[in-house]
Amino acid sequence: SQKIEQNSEALNIQEGKTATLTCNYTNYSPAYLQWYRQDPGRGPVFLLLIRENEKEKRKERLKVTFDTTLKQSLFHITASQPADSATYLCALVMDSWGKLQFGAGTQVVVTP
Amino acid sequence: SQTIHQWPATLVQPVGSPLSLECTVEGTSNPNLYWYRQAAGRGLQLLFYSVGIGQISSEVPQNLSASRPQDRQFILSSKKLLLSDSGFYLCAWRFEFRNTIYFGEGSWLTVV
Repeated sequence: SQKIEQNSEALNIQEGKTATLTCNYTNYSPAYLQWYRQDPGRGPVFLLLIRENEKEKRKERLKVTFDTTLKQSLFHITASQPADSATYLCALVMDSWGKLQFGAGTQVVVTP
Repeated sequence: SQTIHQWPATLVQPVGSPLSLECTVEGTSNPNLYWYRQAAGRGLQLLFYSVGIGQISSEVPQNLSASRPQDRQFILSSKKLLLSDSGFYLCAWRFEFRNTIYFGEGSWLTVV
């Protein structure tokens, strides 16, 4: 199976700045990669999906890049707000049955 | 629209007691269903998945079992709980052949 690495240290950022999170994987490049948001005590919520043939994907203030050469995805939150504070999970599809393998997540704390 | 319900939300059970967590999906048919577990400070671990009634695949050997008695119902069970079974259990579903997985609100299990 894949080894998925996300920064284990919390990312503390000031409101209005851009938060950048990293997701690295070790083995084969998946057909697509997903990012989820998880609030404390809640289930993860899907944010964005990027395919292997896409370099970049945007949704409102969120941007995801996917570099299959580096085996890395970057997740950006621009103009961050305190409401963006949460843990963000990177997930790779494992097979055609839709099984996802998740990274441990990176906590983002946005302070006013 | 589709919704996923998972219950109970919180459960405290003694070691050796049985477990039953239930999950139902509404608004769709023939969904792929998943059970994940999240230990404190850890990533999501896939436990079981199902592509149809009565079809269950286990990802890791453990003290738990799963069943799918109806198309949109997924049950996680144990005959005798262990302390190590404590964690946050998440049911999830996806449209057949689609990529995004949608999670329920989760069930907190504490084995004492």
